[in-house]
Amino acid sequence: QSVLTQPPSASGTPGQRVTMSCSGSSSNIGSNTVNWYQQLPETAPKLLIYSNDQRPSGVPDRFSGSKSGTSASLAISGLQSEDEADYYCAAWDDRLNGYVFGTGTKVTVL
Amino acid sequence: QITLKESGPTLVKPTQTLTLTCTFSGFSLSTSGVGVGWIRQPPGKALEWLALIYWDDDKRYSQSRLTITKDTSKNQVVLTMTNMDPVDTATYYCAHSPPGHLFHSWGQGTLVTVSS
Repeated sequence: QSVLTQPPSASGTPGQRVTMSCSGSSSNIGSNTVNWYQQLPETAPKLLIYSNDQRPSGVPDRFSGSKSGTSASLAISGLQSEDEADYYCAAWDDRLNGYVFGTGTKVTVL
Repeated sequence: QITLKESGPTLVKPTQTLTLTCTFSGFSLSTSGVGVGWIRQPPGKALEWLALIYWDDDKRYSQSRLTITKDTSKNQVVLTMTNMDPVDTATYYCAHSPPGHLFHSWGQGTLVTVSS
């Protein structure tokens, strides 16, 4: 049972901006940094954003992350067909003393 | 270049113990702050973190029936999960964790089915 809540789906047309939220609590997002993972169909997850808003090398700047209080957001600007994937937020949870993933958001490019 | 690969049985029976091995290259599990974690994903469902072992042998678990160990000389991390149940059917991933509570590089995953 995930402790980070995400909307199940989001969609947009090519070129649009899509955002998705990740809601947590004081023991996870409220006190630790947030990471985002992208999982393309039938592939392993890939780190997309770390430390709330940092992009690993090779990740396009169309992807951006932010955090405020106990929530975080991921935005995709200039949506492309290859962005169709599942997106998961994640953070360390001090109360559980472990890592927690979000419920995941499926992004569809219309 | 960091690579990780999971290996182990594809089919286990209920109540049996699952043993999975993660063999990695491109980093050392004796480097300060580094860890290796296990994450699983039931078919069509979300990711679930299972366990994490750090360079100093510190360990974290999500369930009491898990055990994680490392063999630094072989660049391997082993996860055991006891009392397997059909609900444990999932793709199991291992991943490299650099300092900072994140999983930077992932293995391709291995599908484990629990069925009699």
